[in-house]
Amino acid sequence: SQTIHQWPATLVQPVGSPLSLECTVEGTSNPNLYWYRQAAGRGLQLLFYSVGIGQISSEVPQNLSASRPQDRQFILSSKKLLLSDSGFYLCAWTGRRYGYTFGSGTRLTVV
Amino acid sequence: AQTVTQSQPEMSVQEAETVTLSCTYDTSESDYYLFWYKQPPSRQMILVIRQEAYKQQNATENRFSVNFQKAAKSFSLKISDSQLGDAAMYFCAYSFSFSGNTPLVFGKGTRLSVIA
Repeated sequence: SQTIHQWPATLVQPVGSPLSLECTVEGTSNPNLYWYRQAAGRGLQLLFYSVGIGQISSEVPQNLSASRPQDRQFILSSKKLLLSDSGFYLCAWTGRRYGYTFGSGTRLTVV
Repeated sequence: AQTVTQSQPEMSVQEAETVTLSCTYDTSESDYYLFWYKQPPSRQMILVIRQEAYKQQNATENRFSVNFQKAAKSFSLKISDSQLGDAAMYFCAYSFSFSGNTPLVFGKGTRLSVIA
């Protein structure tokens, strides 16, 4: 069966510190991968998506970046966090015959 | 670009009653998918129901049903016999494909409260 893992679950980071959130999918190959952010009380904003290794599409230019070093691994990074980066980050995947499946999310608080 | 609008930031319903959440969308495509997701306090995204645009029949999943009006670009969710566990944020979402490489586009959500 297919599973998606996202970690860490919660993170408190000071302003200006780096960030690395990781998402991995098991049980499938060549998934489409997505990073969304949900600010407090708001909807989900698409940040990045990837249809293959090394292929990253950015929807929102900002101080975040994404990478896909392996087929089933998707990483969200920042070199220097801002207060406005606080929020709930969700990873999701889709694949042939499978609809969208979401990870359990990471709650990021920048202080 | 596709957009999804949920005009009701908050709704409330009495337990055992019926409530309808509204959603409208904008697209120039003729074939696409529409979804309703539930996000409880745990913040896990749970698929409630899915509608394929080429299907005229409205989707139904137990107490959840939709009213899909393609010409009006409207996709409302009806929850019958509301239960306390239905309290959550509900998001309407659009996608050009079911499992392809097009991201989901979400509305801003409706927070549903269930009153005992």
